[in-house]
Amino acid sequence: QKEVEQNSGPLSVPEGAIASLNCTYSDRGSQSFFWYRQYSGKSPELIMFIYSNGDKEDGRFTAQLNKASQYVSLLIRDSQPSDSATYLCAVSVGGYGNKLVFGAGTILRVKS
Amino acid sequence: EAQVTQNPRYLITVTGKKLTVTCSQNMNHEYMSWYRQDPGLGLRQIYYSMNVEVTDKGDVPEGYKVSRKEKRNFPLILESPSPNQTSLYFCASSLWPPAGMNTEAFFGQGTRLTVV
Repeated sequence: QKEVEQNSGPLSVPEGAIASLNCTYSDRGSQSFFWYRQYSGKSPELIMFIYSNGDKEDGRFTAQLNKASQYVSLLIRDSQPSDSATYLCAVSVGGYGNKLVFGAGTILRVKS
Repeated sequence: EAQVTQNPRYLITVTGKKLTVTCSQNMNHEYMSWYRQDPGLGLRQIYYSMNVEVTDKGDVPEGYKVSRKEKRNFPLILESPSPNQTSLYFCASSLWPPAGMNTEAFFGQGTRLTVV
């Protein structure tokens, strides 16, 4: 079992819809969870960070964390074609939680 | 402007010829790390550093070395590159541990390495 798993997609949603991206992780001791967006041919950029159970909202993005079920999700409201990218989930692991493990990423396509 | 600068951007080398990829950040971040990105495998952490002279292995450290003699610089060294190290490499720096509700992290532009 991989430490961090994401559905590779592509996930296709129409413009204006809610895109829901999911990530599961195996290390119960993980404390920090990140979502990165990576456009084709570009570097990853951090879009959301969450460390406590529940929801965290930032503009059109909402990160949701459920440590008991070991999953973290990213919701993108009012999806735009400019949101089309690969979304990477990253989780801190290890005894001190200083190592980062990334999922393979989910490709999101927003159709206008 | 917050920046992580990697050099070179592109590099073609031959098996066994030692090389160094440089990485520098201007944000005074303690945490720096190196990743390789391969199709279908996502980003995999090679090494990370919590501060000057503090480094530790990530998931795929074999064949790589790092050093952190200054806070701003974190070079990646391949002492004897092999074709299976052909990949896209990213350096990143960030606040660590994440500061309260928010944190920041920045990636360099990437170095595309080909070992023939």
